[in-house]
Amino acid sequence: GAGVSQTPSNKVTEKGKYVELRCDPISGHTALYWYRQSLGQGPEFLIYFQGTGAADDSGLPNDRFFAVRPEGSVSTLKIQRTERGDSAVYLCASSRNSGSSYNEQFFGPGTRLTVL
Amino acid sequence: EDKVVQSPLSLVVHEGDTVTLNCSYEVTNFRSLLWYKQEKKAPTFLFMLTSSGIEKKSGRLSSILDKKELFSILNITATQTGDSAVYLCAGKNAGGTSYGKLTFGQGTILTVHP
Repeated sequence: GAGVSQTPSNKVTEKGKYVELRCDPISGHTALYWYRQSLGQGPEFLIYFQGTGAADDSGLPNDRFFAVRPEGSVSTLKIQRTERGDSAVYLCASSRNSGSSYNEQFFGPGTRLTVL
Repeated sequence: EDKVVQSPLSLVVHEGDTVTLNCSYEVTNFRSLLWYKQEKKAPTFLFMLTSSGIEKKSGRLSSILDKKELFSILNITATQTGDSAVYLCAGKNAGGTSYGKLTFGQGTILTVHP
């Protein structure tokens, strides 16, 4: 596609529920990143994929958060037993190849998650 | 822990004014400094700076990096109402498993009044 796409654009859920957020990166981009942005803050790194594997998941806040990228393209961020503190905008970004760290990251429009 | 700090946190100006946004960073295995503009949700890429002292320009926007002082500035001349946005700066890590990871500052909210 022309850019990074994310679905849904908005998700409202109740505390304790499970949610999945999807990211479709730019075609051919091998590196994919998830970030979380709380109101009034800059995005915070969650996890980075190079191809199908999670090369760095050090930003995931706890074991309720998990992400996959089974075929090296689309990625899904999964949150179990959601809490009100999980409410934020979840941003996905992709870049051509993080092996060249000069490649900039292109961001999707994000998913606004609200946990009631 | 990597840290990026931006100042000011917010800025209100009138059309035609010139603004300077500041960014200081402490990033392990630093590779480059990036500036993004965020109007609604998706940050849009402005500049990536890797070398000290080389100014990058795009229209009314310009930016420069000082790797000795760990500092970058973003200048916007002859501001327009369409420049109103949050401006984010981010340090890019180039080491080990964190390759390409961005650490963002909290952003500067710029409001340009007609």
